[in-house]
Amino acid sequence: DAKTTQPTSMDCAEGRAANLPCNHSTISGNEYVYWYRQIHSQGPQYIIHGLKNNETNEMASLIITEDRKSSTLILPHATLRDTAVYYCIVRVYNFNKFYFGSGTKLNVKP
Amino acid sequence: EAGVAQSPRYKIIEKRQSVAFWCNPISGHATLYWYQQILGQGPKLLIQFQNNGVVDDSQLPKDRFSAERLKGVDSTLKIQPAKLEDSAVYLCASSLVMAETQYFGPGTRLLVL
Repeated sequence: DAKTTQPTSMDCAEGRAANLPCNHSTISGNEYVYWYRQIHSQGPQYIIHGLKNNETNEMASLIITEDRKSSTLILPHATLRDTAVYYCIVRVYNFNKFYFGSGTKLNVKP
Repeated sequence: EAGVAQSPRYKIIEKRQSVAFWCNPISGHATLYWYQQILGQGPKLLIQFQNNGVVDDSQLPKDRFSAERLKGVDSTLKIQPAKLEDSAVYLCASSLVMAETQYFGPGTRLLVL
């Protein structure tokens, strides 16, 4: 029941910004956008989340469009260790159910 | 702060055998989740606990899967009997309360032969 659409894979050069898009055109007003990543053989790792406004933390920036139908996760200076599958998830605030799609496989190349 | 702990990390069994996985959430986290992740797919929620009560088990195959969180802290997920299609990674996650960010453990990789 994933409510998001992401590209299957993307490439990024080491040191450059990685911009990962996500489409969530059916998002409701009380649904948050969450981003997780999963490095091979590890559990998913929380990156960032937001509701309406753009957000930034030590790992990444989240840009949400004004109509909230899409968002972009930005890794400002990608490193080889950022190679992972990135999941974009929408979550209803008071139910905390995460529906993971297939995510985007980001390949950071030297 | 210690993360979510899971054991064992790997398990190989034959079909029709039983298996159990253990999870210890982050200290103080009231909500605990079990996910199943089949190779090439995103994690799928199996069951969600709030303290020692079940909040959602709609995706749990109850004829063979069971889970408990008796004292509201650590949890056990059991499969009995296992089928080939149960081969997957079983992930445990926890959150402070139900509406907060989920933090995941490293997972248990199960192979059913």
